[in-house]
Amino acid sequence: DAGITQSPRHKVTETGTPVTLRCHQTENHRYMYWYRQDPGHGLRLIHYSYGVKDTDKGEVSDGYSVSRSKTEDFLLTLESATSSQTSVYFCAISESAVSLPSATNTGELFFGEGSRLTVL
Amino acid sequence: DAKTTQPNSMESNEEEPVHLPCNHSTISGTDYIHWYRQLPSQGPEYVIHGLTSNVNNRMASLAIAEDRKSSTLILHRATLRDAAVYYCILRRNFNKFYFGSGTKLNVKP
Repeated sequence: DAGITQSPRHKVTETGTPVTLRCHQTENHRYMYWYRQDPGHGLRLIHYSYGVKDTDKGEVSDGYSVSRSKTEDFLLTLESATSSQTSVYFCAISESAVSLPSATNTGELFFGEGSRLTVL
Repeated sequence: DAKTTQPNSMESNEEEPVHLPCNHSTISGTDYIHWYRQLPSQGPEYVIHGLTSNVNNRMASLAIAEDRKSSTLILHRATLRDAAVYYCILRRNFNKFYFGSGTKLNVKP
């Protein structure tokens, strides 16, 4: 299994409070992602990172910020949580598909186990 | 944006083949087609991927239409452990992945 750890795994918080979710990897992969999963929507990309201090927005980035100060850690912050941000959050990592030999060039995503966030 | 469309659910009998369809009419020439599956209470895991040609691996086969606007994931002999949500995904610019809403596969004994 890919070395990806998400914390906390479960959190209940109140509307208006700040929340930070942490993703830690031991694979030294370049790319890291935050997705949210909601019924009927599959997984939607929030933000991703393509290197230390290099991040970009995904399709549902409003209300979220991220930081990556070192290769192994990617933090997702909800500055002021709302009930619409109640969801399961998944972190994922991948190596740069460009840098892999063609025979193994899947650009495969490896996912963490998810963090369930409830905003009351 | 890249978009995939899948049936919400499908059902299969154990040890029979399963064909899971996916439409991706907005696919661009350099997009890869990936399939992942998600078991209950777990993150998704890689199944197979392809660009233009059909692909086989130990888990499944991927059949890609000639115009690349649709694809089919084939599980040759479904087992109870294959019950999961299957996602058809377009991978764009190597490292941006666009998930569909997935097909929930139920396998009956």
